[in-house]
Amino acid sequence: AQSVTQLDSQVPVFEEAPVELRCNYSSSVSVYLFWYVQYPNQGLQLLLKYLSGSTLVKGINGFEAEFNKSQTSFHLRKPSVHISDTAEYFCAVSGVSDKLIFGTGTRLQVFP
Amino acid sequence: SAVISQKPSRDICQRGTSLTIQCQVDSQVTMMFWYRQQPGQSLTLIATANQGSEATYESGFVIDKFPISRPNLTFSTLTVSNMSPEDSSIYLCSAQAGDYVRGEQYFGPGTRLTVT
Repeated sequence: AQSVTQLDSQVPVFEEAPVELRCNYSSSVSVYLFWYVQYPNQGLQLLLKYLSGSTLVKGINGFEAEFNKSQTSFHLRKPSVHISDTAEYFCAVSGVSDKLIFGTGTRLQVFP
Repeated sequence: SAVISQKPSRDICQRGTSLTIQCQVDSQVTMMFWYRQQPGQSLTLIATANQGSEATYESGFVIDKFPISRPNLTFSTLTVSNMSPEDSSIYLCSAQAGDYVRGEQYFGPGTRLTVT
């Protein structure tokens, strides 16, 4: 079975500071990994995805994530956050099926 | 990519009644899904909506409570039946785009349901 763990339920950070949102997964098969963002009162939007190839993937809004197979991690990073990045961030994994398994989410709160 | 709309965007319903949520995709898609997001929590998959056949439900969800239709490749409905306050949630529809990538889904804006 697959699972996703997001250790940080909330991450407060000041504007223009760097941020890392942690995600660890478990799976016995090859996986595809995703980060989704949910802005207040909106649906989910795909930030980035890892399918294969380069372990460093770049997404929208200046975010990037690195796939680390040995540590079974897919942490999300941004070198300088903006107020508008305040949102809920979900890590997700899929494997042999089309189903997405979501983590519990991390609330990123950016302060001026 | 795919653009997904849902109706209604929100509703307040009385217990014991039913609500049908509509999901429309702007292009033909292979897979459509329905999720529930309870307040302050992550997304839980309710079922996969299969075109032309019965939906496939996840553990803990049953057809009598959450009947689903998918009459064609761009449309699906989810009904929340005999509602109770515990059904108060955001219900999200999602779809896999035509350029098929396993697990990559596009989401609608959600339907915020409050049951009183």
